Amino acid sequence: DAGVTQSPTHLIKTRGQHVTLRCSPISGHKSVSWYQQVLGQGPQFIFQYYEKEERGRGNFPDRFSARQFPNYSSELNVNALLLGDSALYLCASSFTGEEQPQHFGDGTRLSIL
Amino acid sequence: GEDVEQSLFLSVREGDSSVINCTYTDSSSTYLYWYKQEPGAGLQLLTYIFSNMDMKQDQRLTVLLNKKDKHLSLRIADTQTGDSAIYFCAESRNQGGKLIFGQGTELSVKP
Repeated sequence: DAGVTQSPTHLIKTRGQHVTLRCSPISGHKSVSWYQQVLGQGPQFIFQYYEKEERGRGNFPDRFSARQFPNYSSELNVNALLLGDSALYLCASSFTGEEQPQHFGDGTRLSIL
Repeated sequence: GEDVEQSLFLSVREGDSSVINCTYTDSSSTYLYWYKQEPGAGLQLLTYIFSNMDMKQDQRLTVLLNKKDKHLSLRIADTQTGDSAIYFCAESRNQGGKLIFGQGTELSVKP
């Protein structure tokens, strides 16, 4: 069975642009979470979605938004990119999200020039 | 605060046991997790423990939980060079699916 898949694997953008990152969860999983991992640090929670509804939000500015589709895949959107947004963006899926082990994809490496 | 703390580096010889330690802050955490990250890759779920357990063993991996001291450890028996990676502990606080991660411990296994 396929694990969590993310696209693209790498992306280069310039300041002020916007970006859309995509995630497909493990088959049967209904919850998707997004994390930002800056080099040398642990992942930081951005959002969790379950059944297309936002269930949790981390301490990120409104430039970050996400949505979940009826097939449980998800998009993370970031507007007005800043140099500090350069990071590995990780998607994780779980059956229901609450108190369930989260399984991660390989991430999208976003570089801002 | 909401910090989960880990030591940054650990170096062991192949065949020895590795013990990676973690302290967390929230006594109401329900699950505690160990993830492994190899260079250029995402996080691989290794094992997890429910907060009402003291120990969990899974093949070469043993997790010990001291809830009183909020201390979690991961022991890897017979450590191999393929175990070289960064290991993250994480706690789940039942806050909308949020996991709180430590900074990660870089394990280096020397032949």
